[in-house]
Order: sequence, then structure tokens, then C-alpha cells
Amino acid sequence: NAGVTQTPKFRILKIGQSMTLQCAQDMNHNYMYWYRQDPGMGLKLIYYSVGAGITDKGEVPNGYNVSRSTTEDFPLRLELAAPSQTSVYFCASSPGLAGGTGELFFGEGSRLTVL
Amino acid sequence: KQEVTQIPAALSVPEGENLVLNCSFTDSAIYNLQWFRQDPGKGLTSLLLIQSSQREQTSGRLNASLDKSSGRSTLYIAASQPGDSATYLCARVSNTGKLIFGQGTTLQVKP
Repeated sequence: NAGVTQTPKFRILKIGQSMTLQCAQDMNHNYMYWYRQDPGMGLKLIYYSVGAGITDKGEVPNGYNVSRSTTEDFPLRLELAAPSQTSVYFCASSPGLAGGTGELFFGEGSRLTVL
Repeated sequence: KQEVTQIPAALSVPEGENLVLNCSFTDSAIYNLQWFRQDPGKGLTSLLLIQSSQREQTSGRLNASLDKSSGRSTLYIAASQPGDSATYLCARVSNTGKLIFGQGTTLQVKP
């Protein structure tokens, strides 16, 4: 199993450009999450999904969009990139709460710089 | 208002000392509480997970406790070593699956 795979690992964007961060998991997990981590700070929840076709906002959703058309994939879309979106983005998945512990598995992160 | 708070933000101790990291949360309807370790420039490593029905979990020199009534969890590290230097993050999972992190405690263990 590859676990949670994020692409790209690094990206530089110009202000106003758009891009999609990809996240895929091969563990058949129902729950998936997107976080951002600014330097010296903890992780802030952007969006999360408890199953295919279901998404919900986290703590800092503005400027981002997500979709969950399959169990495996949970892409994060940045529209009109701004310098404030410079951060490291982490995707995570969990088997969910029903019958499981809800343990979280993380991708290695995607470092995004907006200039 | 911060849903999950960690105190202190930073801690420096001499090698061999026992130490306690604190995590408090505002929503008592939790499913579980998880502790992670993050080394500089790296991803997160899961350390311990405490289910809401449990009071503590142990792994080696680490012991995590959970008190839902007071909204607190502690991570106890025994006989600290320089290799324990890292940022430690707690995360609360709600009954709806929403998972929120604290800001982290950066630990430095000096030889």
C-alpha cells in the first residue's frame, strides 16, 4: 500500500493563478482531510470529507474548493492564488468512526509558494 | 476561539528530566484524542491515540491521559532524551469526524 500520496511536493505560483493539489489514498478510508501549516504554527483544517460526495468546511476554507467524487481521491483547488496561501499543505485520511479508532494517516505534504 | 489549546508553546529541559505537555479542548463530545510528533520540515508521526472510553495509553516512555470532563489531555515523557526534541501536536476528533489540531509544543532536550 502506498498510503496517502500528495502531488506535487513543491510548487511556485504567481498571484492570481489557479492550481489543484492532488491527494489519493489506497486504504479504502472514508474520511479525508486537508490542512495547511504556516511556519511555526499548528495545522489548520481547510476542508474535510466523511465519504464520497460529502464535503464540509473546516476552520479556514476561504479561497479553496474541494470535491470528493471517489473514495480514493480528494483534490484541493486554489482559485486566484494569493500570497496568504503560501504554506505547507497536508492531506490525511482515516478509516472513520464506525467500528474503527479513527486513527489519522498523513501524506508527506505539499509546499506551495505564491509570489 | 481556539478549539484546541496546547500549553506551553515551547519547552526546554535538560536530558533525563520527566516532562508533561498539556492539551485542552472546548468540545467534550470527542471521539478520540491523538498525539503526534513533527520534526522540522517533516510530516507528522502518530504517537498515541486515546479513545473517548479510555483514560490513558502508553507506548514506551510516553504516556497520554484523557479527562473528558475537564477537557484535558496530557502527554507525559519519561527520562527525556535529545532525540525527543521535536514539536508535539494534539488533535481532537469530534463525533462527526471533524479533527482539529492544537498549535503544538516545541520541545528541546539539551544534552
